[in-house]
Amino acid sequence: EDKVVQSPLSLVVHEGDTVTLNCSYEVTNFRSLLWYKQEKKAPTFLFMLTSSGIEKKSGRLSSILDKKELFSILNITATQTGDSAIYLCAGGYLTGGFKTIFGAGTRLFVKA
Amino acid sequence: EAQVTQNPRYLITVTGKKLTVTCSQNMNHEYMSWYRQDPGLGLRQIYYSMNVEVTDKGDVPEGYKVSRKEKRNFPLILESPSPNQTSLYFCASSLEGSSYNSPLHFGNGTRLTVT
Repeated sequence: EDKVVQSPLSLVVHEGDTVTLNCSYEVTNFRSLLWYKQEKKAPTFLFMLTSSGIEKKSGRLSSILDKKELFSILNITATQTGDSAIYLCAGGYLTGGFKTIFGAGTRLFVKA
Repeated sequence: EAQVTQNPRYLITVTGKKLTVTCSQNMNHEYMSWYRQDPGLGLRQIYYSMNVEVTDKGDVPEGYKVSRKEKRNFPLILESPSPNQTSLYFCASSLEGSSYNSPLHFGNGTRLTVT
């Protein structure tokens, strides 16, 4: 059965800390690994990773994919209270059409 | 502004009373999908559509119907809602359903309560 597992499920840090969120996957016909940030409402897209070992960066956020070990990490440096959110990891795969399977998410709370 | 619009944002209904949640996107996206989000379970796909008149089941399709008569609209229909369909629902779209280079754009969600 295809699955995406995120850890930890929740995390509390102080402003300025660096955090690493983990995502492991077992997805048949895997094509891409995606990260989304969900604050109060709609998830918003952060990164899409398709190749192993190539880091993607956006400001204080970065992510990398390891297709051999089947995992990805999302790093946030110098955290701010505005980083408080649920971070969702998802595997994109082909089965007739293109589908996406999501992990349960990591709830991050950044204390001032 | 490019967006996915869902209506209503909140809905309280009773068991068995048919309802429709609308979803519309203005980005000319081919791919549209419905998800439900429940605590501890993440987002689970209900139905998706690769293009007009093409729909397929996701992981949790029981109790739901969809239609894709126009490219921009993808309504979710609950013919006979039950309490276990109480959830937060998201509609999403992406440019190309057949490509893995198209991230999803989500609507703001519909919180449904079935009593």
